[in-house]
Amino acid sequence: GENVEQHPSTLSVQEGDSAVIKCTYSDSASNYFPWYKQELGKRPQLIIDIRSNVGEKKDQRIAVTLNKTAKHFSLHITETQPEDSAVYFCAASIGGGGADGLTFGKGTHLIIQP
Amino acid sequence: DAGITQSPRHKVTETGTPVTLRCHQTENHRYMYWYRQDPGHGLRLIHYSYGVKDTDKGEVSDGYSVSRSKTEDFLLTLESATSSQTSVYFCATRGGVVGNQPQHFGDGTRLSIL
Repeated sequence: GENVEQHPSTLSVQEGDSAVIKCTYSDSASNYFPWYKQELGKRPQLIIDIRSNVGEKKDQRIAVTLNKTAKHFSLHITETQPEDSAVYFCAASIGGGGADGLTFGKGTHLIIQP
Repeated sequence: DAGITQSPRHKVTETGTPVTLRCHQTENHRYMYWYRQDPGHGLRLIHYSYGVKDTDKGEVSDGYSVSRSKTEDFLLTLESATSSQTSVYFCATRGGVVGNQPQHFGDGTRLSIL
């Protein structure tokens, strides 16, 4: 089955700096890659996603890049703010019909230092 | 998100007892999922459903069963709960017919097996 590795497990950055979280996946058939943000005690919330026919997608301060050849994708957060502090999860799925349960990375705890 | 309600939100029970968690959605979404979240493991897929009475196993399905008798409800049952099933359980749904569509999560059920 699919395996998703996520690094780093903890990332501390100064407010205003950029943060980058990286994920690799194992199954070349995977074609959908969402990112979720989870605050303590809350549900995961989708922040951005990318499909395999696109190499990059941006939404304000958040961007995701995908390298299908190398089987890795990354989340980029620019001009970080205190409210960006949370745990971030990457995920991958093969998609197609109902067999598209997500395989998640183990998460990155992002800490924004004031 | 997506009108998803999980019940109960918290439950404490004893080893060997049966437990049923309920996920109710108001969006008429065809696809529904159960995940568990444990420290150090991220989220892992237990079971999913791609229609009424259509379900399949995920990565960590042992010890769990599911049922979906109507579109809006997806039940997760632990026939004989064990301490290793102490976890936070999240339900997710997605709309659309093809894959590669976002999944949205409920608020979770915190289950403790003593």
